[in-house]
Amino acid sequence: GAVVSQHPSRVICKSGTSVKIECRSLDFQATTMFWYRQFPKQSLMLMATSNEGSKATYEQGVEKDKFLINHASLTLSTLTVTSAHPEDSSFYICSARVGGDTEAFFGQGTRLTVV
Amino acid sequence: GQNIDQPTEMTATEGAIVQINCTYQTSGFNGLFWYQQHAGEAPTFLSYNVLDGLEEKGRFSSFLSRSKGYSYLLLKELQMKDSASYLCAVMDSNYQLIWGAGTKLIIKP
Repeated sequence: GAVVSQHPSRVICKSGTSVKIECRSLDFQATTMFWYRQFPKQSLMLMATSNEGSKATYEQGVEKDKFLINHASLTLSTLTVTSAHPEDSSFYICSARVGGDTEAFFGQGTRLTVV
Repeated sequence: GQNIDQPTEMTATEGAIVQINCTYQTSGFNGLFWYQQHAGEAPTFLSYNVLDGLEEKGRFSSFLSRSKGYSYLLLKELQMKDSASYLCAVMDSNYQLIWGAGTKLIIKP
């Protein structure tokens, strides 16, 4: 099956610093990537949808200037959490999709802790 | 290794009941999730089980047995709009989500 690799799996950073999370589709070209955030024991919350070569579409309530998404190629999307604060500590997961009618495949997730 | 198993595809009739099973072997356990995903769309959360037993939510119910490493999603009064993929995911001891490949459910009139 299709493989989506997300790195790092865990990261701890200081408040005020920025963190970049990478999401790569290893054996297929992902035209669309989704970024989710999940707080403990809660559902995945969609943050944004990005299509290769175009700007990401952010969900309501998600700050686009704080969560920078770049989808410059068909195999790589990055999420940068800028000026991270403790309330940004969460589980971030990406998923990648080929075309418009196929299912999305998920990365393993990144556990971000801001101290 | 860590593994989530669920059937690849199931077919059911509108108005009927269907049970989608999920078995798992993971390094620790911090809950099991079921998600629904329609083709070309992001998955949507259906249920979360962390204790043994049955959780009922409208037409959907989810059951968990931690000792057996087993869960099922029960869908009642099936509707055509229930045609989708159903994803089982387990959060392991490192809070990593281990995902099943999904079960494609086909509803026939």
